[in-house]
Amino acid sequence: AQKVTQAQTEISVVEKEDVTLDCVYETRDTTYYLFWYKQPPSGELVFLIRRNSFDEQNEISGRYSWNFQKSTSSFNFTITASQVVDSAVYFCALSEAGNQGGKLIFGQGTELSVKP
Amino acid sequence: KAGVTQTPRYLIKTRGQQVTLSCSPISGHRSVSWYQQTPGQGLQFLFEYFSETQRNKGNFPGRFSGRQFSNSRSEMNVSTLELGDSALYLCASTLHEGRSEKLFFGSGTQLSVL
Repeated sequence: AQKVTQAQTEISVVEKEDVTLDCVYETRDTTYYLFWYKQPPSGELVFLIRRNSFDEQNEISGRYSWNFQKSTSSFNFTITASQVVDSAVYFCALSEAGNQGGKLIFGQGTELSVKP
Repeated sequence: KAGVTQTPRYLIKTRGQQVTLSCSPISGHRSVSWYQQTPGQGLQFLFEYFSETQRNKGNFPGRFSGRQFSNSRSEMNVSTLELGDSALYLCASTLHEGRSEKLFFGSGTQLSVL
């Protein structure tokens, strides 16, 4: 069965601190895709990154970086030098190659609060 | 390019009524999927339409239905509303890239059932 677990429900940090959001997934497929989305108070889910199961290279985009480890079925997200504008709910999601069709399995989300 | 547009933004209905939500995908995207977001259940997949055909469906009762028009715009309908249908309904427009998909979401319709 497919499942995504984000164990951290809420995280609170002070501006400029680094913060890591954890994501652990379960799937039987050998080909799958992992995503991170950001949901600000406006409600829209903003796409951050997609990673396929064959690409374990870590990725960095500005202050954001992602660590994908198939051995531990984890796809963690780190924000370096956090800012107040990073405050949002962050979702990790899984899509299986054999069952796409617009279907993402989402974790429960981690609410990040960055205080000035 | 314009993003995914959902209307209305907010909706208040009473139990037993029916409701129709609308979604216009990003120009050129032929696939639209719908999600329900609630505090208790989180984000759950409702269904997906591609070229006017329902291609994938989640585990929701038959009261939830949808359709897609030739211009890729989609509507979602919920009949005989229940209190538990109160949720944020999100529509996503899909960009197909090889074997992968990338979903872009709208701001959602917040439905309150009284």
